[in-house]
Amino acid sequence: GAGVSQSPRYKVAKRGQDVALRCDPISGHVSLFWYQQALGQGPEFLTYFQNEAQLDKSGLPSDRFFAERPEGSVSTLKIQRTQQEDSAVYLCASSLAQLAGTYEQYFGPGTRLTVT
Amino acid sequence: AQSVTQLGSHVSVSEGALVLLRCNYSSSVPPYLFWYVQYPNQGLQLLLKYTTGATLVKGINGFEAEFKKSETSFHLTKPSAHMSDAAEYFCAVNTNAGKSTFGDGTTLTVKP
Repeated sequence: GAGVSQSPRYKVAKRGQDVALRCDPISGHVSLFWYQQALGQGPEFLTYFQNEAQLDKSGLPSDRFFAERPEGSVSTLKIQRTQQEDSAVYLCASSLAQLAGTYEQYFGPGTRLTVT
Repeated sequence: AQSVTQLGSHVSVSEGALVLLRCNYSSSVPPYLFWYVQYPNQGLQLLLKYTTGATLVKGINGFEAEFKKSETSFHLTKPSAHMSDAAEYFCAVNTNAGKSTFGDGTTLTVKP
């Protein structure tokens, strides 16, 4: 079966541009997570959805970052007015369970964003 | 609050040698602990996890980890390294909802 897919895989944006990153989770997975992975570091939590509800957005670094999952399936992470410090790999993960603590998260390949 | 510390950002072993990657965590509640592997330009893949029960956990590719509550550790081991094990390894601790806090990773190099 298909895993988690993300698009685009690579994105180069000029500073100040807006970008939209897409995540297609595994069909039927209730929970969806976004992480930011800077070079040489581990992933850092950005936000979490349970179906269409955004239950935790405590990791979003600024109000330039916005995520949505309107129909409880595909999710989009939008970054407005990109800055160089936004350059990172953005990982999406999905999980079958509502309370996903003990359950495996399935990760997509990530979108590498480079802001020039 | 939760945190994860991976001791040693780079570990190098010879093929056939023991692999030991260290992970210490802090958590205010009983932890759910995970090890993931990441190959270049790929997402993270689960190696193994500890939730409850047996403290020695076996995973894929011959890896195992032992949860030691008294030491707040969850070190990853493999008796005999293979060239294909060269990758980056991440330890993570989860909340009930699944929000993961990751360590900074350990890059494993396997020398022939």
